[in-house]
Amino acid sequence: DAKTTQPPSMDCAEGRAANLPCNHSTISGNEYVYWYRQIHSQGPQYIIHGLKNNETNEMASLIITEDRKSSTLILPHATLRDTAVYYCIVRVGGGNQGGKLIFGQGTELSVKP
Amino acid sequence: GAVVSQHPSRVICKSGTSVKIECRSLDFQATTMFWYRQFPKQSLMLMATSNEGSKATYEQGVEKDKFLINHASLTLSTLTVTSAHPEDSSFYICSAVTSGSGDTQYFGPGTRLTVL
Repeated sequence: DAKTTQPPSMDCAEGRAANLPCNHSTISGNEYVYWYRQIHSQGPQYIIHGLKNNETNEMASLIITEDRKSSTLILPHATLRDTAVYYCIVRVGGGNQGGKLIFGQGTELSVKP
Repeated sequence: GAVVSQHPSRVICKSGTSVKIECRSLDFQATTMFWYRQFPKQSLMLMATSNEGSKATYEQGVEKDKFLINHASLTLSTLTVTSAHPEDSSFYICSAVTSGSGDTQYFGPGTRLTVL
């Protein structure tokens, strides 16, 4: 699976949009981009995933560049409860057994009042 | 939907004893479950992949005789840490795959193991 590069930390003001970047320049054509977050001492929480089209759900939006070498997770109105470590992971999707996820160091997002 | 539970949430044991951790998918059937370990201030490290009805596949460097994994049903996988030592103290997290949602992995809340 392709590796990802994320900034180690970011700050965001409460109520503002949080834009978390991720580089995955060696991504293959059949690899999906997944985003998870982990609040301290809890299991990771699934946020969103995509292949090449932009995706949006109730939690966030995922913007993938046309060449698929990078993506941005957008939390439209960050709250204090969004403070967490955010992980961007690429892996092969498809099938009903699921590919393993390899976690990097992620981005520690701090939402400040 | 897609809820994964773990039991216990915390366990303290003496060195040399064995500890069993359960991972259950509550509202879906999971043919594949994964086990991770996380040390303080570090990221999650995949330990093994568990497929229902077959032997687990361990990542390089993970001792299969020390970390016994059983996936006897589509909703339950167990991790047994045998002859635990203080260096096994860690946060153990499982995940389960739902085939109905593009094989997205959903994670349990984790189990904090402390070996004295």
